[in-house]
Amino acid sequence: EAEVAQSPRYKITEKSQAVAFWCDPISGHATLYWYRQILGQGPELLVQFQDESVVDDSQLPKDRFSAERLKGVDSTLKIQPAELGDSAMYLCASSRGLAGRQETQYFGPGTRLLVL
Amino acid sequence: AQSVTQLGSHVSVSEGALVLLRCNYSSSVPPYLFWYVQYPNQGLQLLLKYTSAATLVKGINGFEAEFKKSETSFHLTKPSAHMSDAAEYFCAVSDTGTASKLTFGTGTRLQVTL
Repeated sequence: EAEVAQSPRYKITEKSQAVAFWCDPISGHATLYWYRQILGQGPELLVQFQDESVVDDSQLPKDRFSAERLKGVDSTLKIQPAELGDSAMYLCASSRGLAGRQETQYFGPGTRLLVL
Repeated sequence: AQSVTQLGSHVSVSEGALVLLRCNYSSSVPPYLFWYVQYPNQGLQLLLKYTSAATLVKGINGFEAEFKKSETSFHLTKPSAHMSDAAEYFCAVSDTGTASKLTFGTGTRLQVTL
């Protein structure tokens, strides 16, 4: 069964350092999402891609966060510089993104970030 | 703006007892509604979804949910809890557009005791 892959699974960094997370969606899925899940809360969308284009990044803190999906396949989310409040689980999800249909989003295992 | 409210951050049931996890939604248009489960240090897995077809939706692992427009609710139930059901459960809503983002509730942690 195809799955969404994410790496690393865990990351510990010091504040002001740069961190990067990688996501490989299910093959053929056009839509890719990055969510942030703070401990004790539900996931919150950071950025949504349709192929290589950003569809929604309204909740992405653009002064320190960036995301790219250059070839419309895998994606990287970067934080520079990291702050203590960035400690959270970062989840990647993908869906087929076919027009006119609401489809299931499939989630990866997540990257748990701890900023010291 | 769409939102969901999950009543009860923690629910504890005995093994074999009924599971009821509550979710109420707020949406200006007919929504799509979802229940996801998350086991410790893992991603989210879809349990079931409502997309305006049948109001009673059956999902995996014996779970089901009923969409009640008059109550703006989408509560999750399972007749008999199993120890393996212990996890965090999230209700989510999206609008009816293509590949729309999900807005999640704050989650309910289900504990199952012997």
